[in-house]
Amino acid sequence: DAGVTQSPTHLIKTRGQQVTLRCSPISGHKSVSWYQQVLGQGPQFIFQYYEKEERGRGNFPDRFSARQFPNYSSELNVNALLLGDSALYLCASSLCIEGSGGRATTDTQYFGPGTRLTVL
Amino acid sequence: QQQVKQSPQSLIVQKGGISIINCAYENTAFDYFPWYQQFPGKGPALLIAIRPDVSEKKEGRFTISFNKSAKQFSLHIMDSQPGDSATYFCAASIGPNAGNNRKLIWGLGTSLAVNP
Repeated sequence: DAGVTQSPTHLIKTRGQQVTLRCSPISGHKSVSWYQQVLGQGPQFIFQYYEKEERGRGNFPDRFSARQFPNYSSELNVNALLLGDSALYLCASSLCIEGSGGRATTDTQYFGPGTRLTVL
Repeated sequence: QQQVKQSPQSLIVQKGGISIINCAYENTAFDYFPWYQQFPGKGPALLIAIRPDVSEKKEGRFTISFNKSAKQFSLHIMDSQPGDSATYFCAASIGPNAGNNRKLIWGLGTSLAVNP
């Protein structure tokens, strides 16, 4: 079975440019989360999507946006790139389980290999 | 504010030895505590996870010990091997009763080197 796939593997951009990163979750997984991992640190949560809806947002500026498609794949967009956006961007998929009150909860998160973004 | 504190930052162990990595958390609403292993240039891979209703979970050479009252949990790697050399992250998340999605809150990582 294919795991989480991400594209591209590496990307080099200049300040002010825009970038789109793509993620395909594990087959059957309905939830996708995005994380930013700066070198030497743990991942930081950016977004979680379930059934094409944003279900969680981390402490990132509005330059970061994402969406999820009907096939549950997802894109992360970053506008007006800054040098500090250089990082490994990780996508995680999970088998989303509906919790009490209809709120979507998620189970174990499985990570893709990441996209290494370098901003010059 | 670091909600999950991990130590040590780096660890060197001899082959066959025991590697121990510790984490402490603050938010008592956390109810899921996974450990991830990450090799350079790769995404994190789930190693083992525990929920607070048990005090210990073992999978092969990997054991999580959980102390709910102390708000601490640790990873023990028995019979450490050179192939275990990687960065290890503890994490925590909040369950559905808090109305949140399961975003993971991560420690800063421990770089483990197992000498042959």
